[in-house]
Amino acid sequence: EPEVTQTPSHQVTQMGQEVILRCVPISNHLYFYWYRQILGQKVEFLVSFYNNEISEKSEIFDDQFSVERPDGSNFTLKIRSTKLEDSAMYFCASSEAEDIQYFGAGTRLSVL
Amino acid sequence: QKEVEQDPGPLSVPEGAIVSLNCTYSNSAFQYFMWYRQYSRKGPELLMYTYSSGNKEDGRFTAQVDKSSKYISLFIRDSQPSDSATYLCAMKLSSASKIIFGSGTRLSIRP
Repeated sequence: EPEVTQTPSHQVTQMGQEVILRCVPISNHLYFYWYRQILGQKVEFLVSFYNNEISEKSEIFDDQFSVERPDGSNFTLKIRSTKLEDSAMYFCASSEAEDIQYFGAGTRLSVL
Repeated sequence: QKEVEQDPGPLSVPEGAIVSLNCTYSNSAFQYFMWYRQYSRKGPELLMYTYSSGNKEDGRFTAQVDKSSKYISLFIRDSQPSDSATYLCAMKLSSASKIIFGSGTRLSIRP
């Protein structure tokens, strides 16, 4: 069964460093998303991406964050200068149309 | 009032019991209703998906949406220890990308 894959599974970084989280969405999907889940809290929407541009973003997705689809298969989330409060699970999701979203296993980001 | 409210549990039931999980919501414009299952430190896994009102059944799982009461439910029949997980209700507007999740109910099935 096709699935969304995310790498790495765990990323440790120092505060102030840049990180890139990588995702390979399901191959025929056109819509891509990032969510995050701080430990013990709800899954929160960050951003959606379609046709090579951001279609929707939340208040969390400020200038420190950016997304890119650098080639036909990868979708990345970059955090420019990480803060302690960026520590969370980051989930990538994809959908064929703007309805059912399928999630990856997540990347655990630890900012020290 | 929170957009989506879900009892966090934990809920513990014996194997074979019928489980009922519920969420309420405040935005009457939600059109897509979903249930995801999440194992510890894993991603949400889609279980059930309903557009607008009504019931949907898939094996041991039944999802119900009551838009007049702004209330959705997930029923699990013949519950198994492997059903032990956190269950997230989720909903979406037809005009928006983002899914709004409940806080999740932690379910434990005792053998």
